[in-house]
Amino acid sequence: DGGITQSPKYLFRKEGQNVTLSCEQNLNHDAMYWYRQDPGQGLRLIYYSQIVNDFQKGDIAEGYSVSREKKESFPLTVTSAQKNPTAFYLCASSIGLAGGYNEQFFGPGTRLTVL
Amino acid sequence: GENVEQHPSTLSVQEGDSAVIKCTYSDSASNYFPWYKQELGKRPQLIIDIRSNVGEKKDQRIAVTLNKTAKHFSLHITETQPEDSAVYFCAAIRVGGGATNKLIFGTGTLLAVQP
Repeated sequence: DGGITQSPKYLFRKEGQNVTLSCEQNLNHDAMYWYRQDPGQGLRLIYYSQIVNDFQKGDIAEGYSVSREKKESFPLTVTSAQKNPTAFYLCASSIGLAGGYNEQFFGPGTRLTVL
Repeated sequence: GENVEQHPSTLSVQEGDSAVIKCTYSDSASNYFPWYKQELGKRPQLIIDIRSNVGEKKDQRIAVTLNKTAKHFSLHITETQPEDSAVYFCAAIRVGGGATNKLIFGTGTLLAVQP
């Protein structure tokens, strides 16, 4: 299970607060991704980054922000503007565009609950 | 936009029976189709994948078939065992030629294998 880690495993937030989820990988992967998982809706892409200092919005980026200052790290901030943030958040990484067909490896996830 | 439909959403089989999960994709340029298995409370993990230049791929008890004309692909599990119980996600992606390397996931199938 090593290679890509997320912390914390469980996170509780009060309404109106921003919170940052950590994602770290030691696989030397160029690409990193954040997904949100809700029951019955599969995995939806929030943001992704193909290379350091560059990232793009996914399908549901509103209310979220990211940074990619280091190759190993891709933190996700859930802002107070996100209307329904309670969900399971998964981070993933892959070799990147240069790798052609390549597998995305997932972290263990963070379950965020808004109180 | 790109879309992947997955059916059924839940599937219950008796141990030893076969299970089939079907997916349909919308982007005809998709050329790589991975399947992920997510056990309860764990991260998704790749179990098998297929490229668009292949019609079928098999790995022990699991197989995937692809019909490019109909834009369908399916996961087949034979001789099911209780440890096959999990949520299965199909996905589609266009790799190469300036593609963004974004995986589009289906909504998942909860497979329950009854002993």
